[in-house]
Amino acid sequence: EDQVTQSPEALRLQEGESSSLNCSYTVSGLRGLFWYRQDPGKGPEFLFTLYSAGEEKEKERLKATLTKKESFLHITAPKPEDSATYLCAVQLDTGRRALTFGSGTRLQVQP
Amino acid sequence: EAQVTQNPRYLITVTGKKLTVTCSQNMNHEYMSWYRQDPGLGLRQIYYSMNVEVTDKGDVPEGYKVSRKEKRNFPLILESPSPNQTSLYFCASSPPPGLVGHEQFFGPGTRLTVL
Repeated sequence: EDQVTQSPEALRLQEGESSSLNCSYTVSGLRGLFWYRQDPGKGPEFLFTLYSAGEEKEKERLKATLTKKESFLHITAPKPEDSATYLCAVQLDTGRRALTFGSGTRLQVQP
Repeated sequence: EAQVTQNPRYLITVTGKKLTVTCSQNMNHEYMSWYRQDPGLGLRQIYYSMNVEVTDKGDVPEGYKVSRKEKRNFPLILESPSPNQTSLYFCASSPPPGLVGHEQFFGPGTRLTVL
């Protein structure tokens, strides 16, 4: 069965304290891995797409990497406004184009 | 402004009373999808549509219907809602593959409570 597991479930950081979120997946025929940010009461906001092992993408304080079994979202020197739930999703190599989501990591950055 | 809109944003209803949640996108996307989000279960796909008049089931389609008569609209229909359909619902749209990518753009969500 295709699975996406995110860890940790929750993470509390001090402002400026860098860390990484993990997304591990067991799927066959990965078409793409996506990272989203979700603020309370809002829809997920697209951050990155990674397509192949070794690929990296960066945006401000965020950097996403991909291996054959997992992806990391590195947060460098986070600020309180980075507090959100970060969702990882995989898209399989099928015509359905469905996203299979992990349960997310709730990140809280304290000033 | 490019966006996905949903209505209503909040809805409280009773078991068995048919309801429709509307979804509209202004980005001329061919692909649209509905998800539900439940604590501990993440987002799960209900139905999707590859284009007008083309729809198919996702992972949790039971109790739901959809239609795609126009490219911009993709309503979600609950013919006889039950309490286990109490959830947060998101509509999403995406450009066709091969262009900017497969990323999906999500609406603001509809919080549904079925009593």
